[in-house]
Amino acid sequence: DTGVSQNPRHKITKRGQNVTFRCDPISEHNRLYWYRQTLGQGPEFLTYFQNEAQLEKSRLLSDRFSAERPKGSFSTLEIQRTEQGDSAMYLCASSSGLAHSYEQYFGPGTRLTVT
Amino acid sequence: TQLLEQSPQFLSIQEGENLTVYCNSSSVFSSLQWYRQEPGEGPVLLVTVVTGGEVKKLKRLTFQFGDARKDSSLHINAAQPGDTGLYLCAGELVNSGAGSYQLTFGKGTKLSVIP
Repeated sequence: DTGVSQNPRHKITKRGQNVTFRCDPISEHNRLYWYRQTLGQGPEFLTYFQNEAQLEKSRLLSDRFSAERPKGSFSTLEIQRTEQGDSAMYLCASSSGLAHSYEQYFGPGTRLTVT
Repeated sequence: TQLLEQSPQFLSIQEGENLTVYCNSSSVFSSLQWYRQEPGEGPVLLVTVVTGGEVKKLKRLTFQFGDARKDSSLHINAAQPGDTGLYLCAGELVNSGAGSYQLTFGKGTKLSVIP
């Protein structure tokens, strides 16, 4: 199965620590998205890459958040100086740049708990 | 204000019953997707609709996109316990800007099918 993969699946960290998550998209998908989902809510858009270029960032993405996709393949999302409000499921999705590019395929997510 | 309103929020039914869940907005979407999500996992794409009035069938599931592309419904025939999960609708806004492919999600309908 060559779906979207995310690592780690779970992360528990103490307030103030930095964390980094990784996303490997479906092969040859040139668009990659990060979303955040809190309990009882649908996913909320954070940022979007086309190849290695970060083309859009949500206002939800504070200065403590940074995302990269250095070679246009995998992506990382780093949160610096974590706060309890950062506790959420972080979801990665990818889509092709061809027809039906609106179809986004999600990974299993990384569950972050900040204590 | 939630751009996509889903109803009902919770639904508990007996195996074999039929059900319909709704996704409504005052905004126009260029495409709309339905996902199913299980606890601790990422959303799984069920269907994409792009044309106003479009109806798609996937086994016991029937999806409809409103004529004005502002609303959608999901109907399940003869629900089974395996249908249990969180059903999310998500759309790409028409006026989201050139090159923007972010999805806007509803909060979801949590469905429980009791054997």
